[in-house]
Amino acid sequence: GAGVSQSPSNKVTEKGKDVELRCDPISGHTALYWYRQSLGQGLEFLIYFQGNSAPDKSGLPSDRFSAERTGGSVSTLTIQRTQQEDSAVYLCASSSLQGDEQYFGPGTRLTVT
Amino acid sequence: AQSVAQPEDQVNVAEGNPLTVKCTYSVSGNPYLFWYVQYPNRGLQFLLKYITGDNLVKGSYGFEAEFNKSQTSFHLKKPSALVSDSALYFCAVRATRGSGYALNFGKGTSLLVTP
Repeated sequence: GAGVSQSPSNKVTEKGKDVELRCDPISGHTALYWYRQSLGQGLEFLIYFQGNSAPDKSGLPSDRFSAERTGGSVSTLTIQRTQQEDSAVYLCASSSLQGDEQYFGPGTRLTVT
Repeated sequence: AQSVAQPEDQVNVAEGNPLTVKCTYSVSGNPYLFWYVQYPNRGLQFLLKYITGDNLVKGSYGFEAEFNKSQTSFHLKKPSALVSDSALYFCAVRATRGSGYALNFGKGTSLLVTP
């Protein structure tokens, strides 16, 4: 079956521009997670969704970051006024139940110039 | 806070030899532990998990992990390494319910299997 997909696979943007990253989870998975992978910080948890709700947004690094999920499926991570320190690989994962194993997408590599 | 540590940045093994990638954990309550593998320019792939039960957990691609409560360890093992096992390996622990049980990852261990 189809796994988690993310788009775009690569994104290069200029500092100060806004970007949107998309995640399509495995069909039927109610839990969806965003992580960020960077050389300096390793793998960091950003936000999770249960259905369309995001009960805890404390993992988002700043108020420039926001995310939404619609229809209990697709999620979009938006970064406004991008900064060079936002450069990283953004990974999305989904699971059928909270706490169960998570299945990861291939990631979006974001480069801010 | 729930956390894991991977003490080795890199592990080198000759093909055919057994391999071990180390992980120790620090949790309050019962640990829920995972191993993931990441191949170059790919996302993370689930290998195995420990929730409860047998201390020896078997997973994908011939990998297994041993849960040791007294040593707070969850080392990844494979009896005979393959060159294709060369990748980045992450140990992870389930975080709190407030995060939706997100994963807290170790910094990763690079495994290099030489022919």
